Amino acid sequence: NAGVTQTPKFRILKIGQSMTLQCAQDMNHNYMYWYRQDPGMGLKLIYYSVGAGITDKGEVPNGYNVSRSTTEDFPLRLELAAPSQTSVYFCASKLTGVETQYFGPGTRLLVL
Amino acid sequence: QKEVEQNSGPLSVPEGAIASLNCTYSDRVSQSFFWYRQYSGKSPELIMSIYSNGDKEDGRFTAQLNKASQYVSLLIRDSQPSDSATYLCAVNPLMDSSYKLIFGSGTRLLVRP
Repeated sequence: NAGVTQTPKFRILKIGQSMTLQCAQDMNHNYMYWYRQDPGMGLKLIYYSVGAGITDKGEVPNGYNVSRSTTEDFPLRLELAAPSQTSVYFCASKLTGVETQYFGPGTRLLVL
Repeated sequence: QKEVEQNSGPLSVPEGAIASLNCTYSDRVSQSFFWYRQYSGKSPELIMSIYSNGDKEDGRFTAQLNKASQYVSLLIRDSQPSDSATYLCAVNPLMDSSYKLIFGSGTRLLVRP
């Protein structure tokens, strides 16, 4: 099992550009999450999904969109990048009834 | 606004000592509490969870919960240099299965050889 994978590892965007952060898991977990972590801070929940076709907003959803067409994949879309979106983005997943969230390695995004 | 507060540190302890990490939370109805360890440049990993008042021990780690004081702590006995990391406290404010966690900003622990 590869666990939770994220691509790309690092990306530089110009203000106003768009991109999709990819997240995939091969553990058949139905719950998936997107967090962002600003320097020296904790993680903040952007969006989450309880299964294919079901997504909901977290604490800081503005400027982002998600979709969940399969159990395995949970991409995060940035439509109009802003400097405030400079952060490290972590994807996580978990199984129903199990408390542990497994995190991917993260994507570092710099918006200039 | 639900909040989780931690001292940012760094907390510096000598090798072999007990490291004590503290966390307070604002939402009285919070039911489940977690400690994550995050090495520099890496992703968080769960090391302890606690749901009931009192202590929960796992190897060198002990989590302590006091719901009346809205306080949760992590003790690391016989601290090792490999324990040097940032420790994130997380709270599930609603007892539901979606686990929309709220994280503190973390405490950086340095264990001196």
